[in-house]
Amino acid sequence: DVKVTQSSRYLVKRTGEKVFLECVQDMDHENMFWYRQDPGLGLRLIYFSYDVKMKEKGDIPEGYSVSREKKERFSLILESASTSQTSMYLCASSPQGGPQHFGDGTRLSIL
Amino acid sequence: GESVGLHLPTLSVQEGDNSIINCAYSNSASDYFIWYKQESGKGPQFIIDIRSNMDKRQGQRVTVLLNKTVKHLSLQIAATQPGDSAVYFCAERETNDYKLSFGAGTTVTVRA
Repeated sequence: DVKVTQSSRYLVKRTGEKVFLECVQDMDHENMFWYRQDPGLGLRLIYFSYDVKMKEKGDIPEGYSVSREKKERFSLILESASTSQTSMYLCASSPQGGPQHFGDGTRLSIL
Repeated sequence: GESVGLHLPTLSVQEGDNSIINCAYSNSASDYFIWYKQESGKGPQFIIDIRSNMDKRQGQRVTVLLNKTVKHLSLQIAATQPGDSAVYFCAERETNDYKLSFGAGTTVTVRA
């Protein structure tokens, strides 16, 4: 089975903090993705990566950055957290041409 | 812009009956389609996929039908069980694109 693991299920941070969300996949997938999911807005793509050290902006990259130093790990960084970034964050990975597989998400609250 | 959408936001089904969840898409360039299931507090779980060179694909208790003429996708669940209660999303992608476009989701509730 595909396993996408997100480091935290729940996280509470303060406004202005730098926040790191980690994601690891064990299927040697080339592609990795970060989404946020909000009620009424569905899944929105923040960033994705199709190879180590490569990254592409998604639909809502503002306020976020990413890092992919190793194939299995994709990190999402909130440079200076704001309350508008309170959300459910979902990581996914996929092989070339195949379906995306998701982790169970990190519910992030910014106070 | 073009988007993927579902016909109904909610569906109530009697346990043991078959469920049909519908999805309409508008991007004629889409050639790969996926159904996901999301239970409360969990991430979306891959159910089944289908490519545009097929019009039907079957899995365990699930069947996906693709009608490219009317740009319609459906997921059929046989003998619906309480564990099938969840939100179901369709998603689509164009050839050589990495990104998926997701529908809003249909909430399926199974009545005992």
